[in-house]
Amino acid sequence: EIVLTQSPATLSLSPGERATLSCGASQSVGRSFLAWYQQKPGLAPRLLIYDASSRATGIPDRFSGSGSGTDFTLTISRLEPEDFAVYYCQQYGSSITFGQGTRLEIK
Amino acid sequence: EVQLVQSGAEVKKPGESLKISCKGSGYSFITYWIAWVRQMPGKDLEWMGIIYLDDSDTRYSPSFQGQVTISADKSISTAYLQWSSLKASDTAMYYCAIPNPARWFLDDWGQGTLVTVSS
Repeated sequence: EIVLTQSPATLSLSPGERATLSCGASQSVGRSFLAWYQQKPGLAPRLLIYDASSRATGIPDRFSGSGSGTDFTLTISRLEPEDFAVYYCQQYGSSITFGQGTRLEIK
Repeated sequence: EVQLVQSGAEVKKPGESLKISCKGSGYSFITYWIAWVRQMPGKDLEWMGIIYLDDSDTRYSPSFQGQVTISADKSISTAYLQWSSLKASDTAMYYCAIPNPARWFLDDWGQGTLVTVSS
């Protein structure tokens, strides 16, 4: 089973700043089959990025994904107030596993 | 528009059985998989398993194999998650979701079913 480790656990930033979230895999994720989700309190997760760098339908272009192999990054270029949430990575190259999440909070 | 509607919140006692549901609408679901994801209170997402509605081909996460049963009724585009004997540690929000047909990222999610197990 591929284990995903997200860092940092909590990220404190201000609106307008740039956020960089990391997701490391215990072994290479085949074909960059990695996705990112946003989850707000009381709501189901929402797909942001798939295949490491493709934005899902309706996702603003301030969200971008990059990486391959064992190291992946989600970048939010300029934080909006609605972006403060928990973010999860998920690999689907070998079965399915999720990372433990990064909480993005307002500084 | 794709929509997944899950059954309502449940409060159960330890040792009781439970079956929750996830009904799809908006397109032909029998050619799709439906995944189940657990989220314990304040915790992260855990993939439980996945079922192909057309033939009920089912894959389980090793962590959940033998702990739950995933089933489906393709005639009503519905997937189920079932416990034979609940434990307090089963208290969680359970989500169903539709993976992309070609790759298993989760495109659309149900609203979640909260299961509370308490004596």
